[in-house]
Amino acid sequence: AQSVTQLGSHVSVSEGALVLLRCNYSSSVPPYLFWYVQYPNQGLQLLLKYTSAATLVKGINGFEAEFKKSETSFHLTKPSAHMSDAAEYFCAVSVPSTSGTYKYIFGTGTRLKVLA
Amino acid sequence: DSGVTQTPKHLITATGQRVTLRCSPRSGDLSVYWYQQSLDQGLQFLIQYYNGEERAKGNILERFSAQQFPDLHSELNLSSLELGDSALYFCASSVGASGRVGQYFGPGTRLTVL
Repeated sequence: AQSVTQLGSHVSVSEGALVLLRCNYSSSVPPYLFWYVQYPNQGLQLLLKYTSAATLVKGINGFEAEFKKSETSFHLTKPSAHMSDAAEYFCAVSVPSTSGTYKYIFGTGTRLKVLA
Repeated sequence: DSGVTQTPKHLITATGQRVTLRCSPRSGDLSVYWYQQSLDQGLQFLIQYYNGEERAKGNILERFSAQQFPDLHSELNLSSLELGDSALYFCASSVGASGRVGQYFGPGTRLTVL
């Protein structure tokens, strides 16, 4: 069965430090992978997506993620954290079903706190 | 602003009641998705419509139903409401039905069942 696991429900980093948010997936077929960000009292916003082109994907706000098939991972990184990055981040996977539709599965989210 | 609109923003109702949540997708998007977000269940996919037709079904209860109209707006109907239905309900849209495109989320409707 397909699944998404985000390690660490809460991550704290200092301003200017590296941000690393972990995501592992389980899928029997090549998945499409996404990272979304949710600011307080808002909907989710697409940060970046992997759709089987380049394994290193660049997104908005300086974030990037690398697809590693051997590790079934799609970790999100940003070289230098900014206070405005404080939010909840969701990893998601889209996999085709036997009926030809796609099933979307979201991880449980990682709340990022940026310390001054 | 994602371009996806949802109304109402907040809804407070009583157990046993029925409510309707409304969503207008981004201009040009044919797919609409509904999600439920709660503290204990996280973000759960409910249902997807594409150009008026039901496309995929997730963890949607039988008490819940949805439809997409010819102008592409969608409504999620929740009936016989229970306390546990209190949650944030998000609508999202995408240009196609393919799983390779990302989704654009609306601001959500916060439902409180008393």
